Amino acid sequence: AQTVTQSQPEMSVQEAETVTLSCTYDTSENNYYLFWYKQPPSRQMILVIRQEAYKQQNATENRFSVNFQKAAKSFSLKISDSQLGDTAMYFCAFLNYGGATNKLIFGTGTLLAVQP
Amino acid sequence: DADVTQTPRNRITKTGKRIMLECSQTKGHDRMYWYRQDPGLGLRLIYYSFDVKDINKGEISDGYSVSRQAQAKFSLSLESAIPNQTALYFCATSDSRTGRKETQYFGPGTRLLVL
Repeated sequence: AQTVTQSQPEMSVQEAETVTLSCTYDTSENNYYLFWYKQPPSRQMILVIRQEAYKQQNATENRFSVNFQKAAKSFSLKISDSQLGDTAMYFCAFLNYGGATNKLIFGTGTLLAVQP
Repeated sequence: DADVTQTPRNRITKTGKRIMLECSQTKGHDRMYWYRQDPGLGLRLIYYSFDVKDINKGEISDGYSVSRQAQAKFSLSLESAIPNQTALYFCATSDSRTGRKETQYFGPGTRLLVL
């Protein structure tokens, strides 16, 4: 069974600085997707970034980028130029491509606080 | 307007009551999902539906049932609510017909409290 681990329950960063959130996963599958979702105090689950496992190039979306290390089963999120609006819970998630359920498997989350 | 809506946004009910949470989407997606979020546990899949006639149990379906009334509507029912069903419930959608079929988009969530 696949598992997703986020070992940092809480993190803090100063506004305008860079922060990296860690995620590791365990799977025997070869074709899968990885995601980072953001959950601000409004509770909405917002897709931040996605990565296809077959792509070696790391995904980027504006200030957000990932460091995908397939062999190490690591998928960290880097937030550059942190803004107050980045304060949220961040969830790493895994999805087995071609799996029967299309089920997202979530980590337990990292609560990020951006300090002014 | 939001692409995925959930009603109600908040609900308080009593043990033993039957309640329904509703999800509607205007994204035209064929796949819909119900997840539950508990503190410290992330989100877990309750039920999923790949089309109107295809409904399947997820990992924590006991005590829940669903109905896919139309492609755009997917309801979750708690037949007899119990306190450990107190949680935040999310509906999500995805589209199997595009190159992003693996990407799920979430509604705003329903916070349920069972007394």
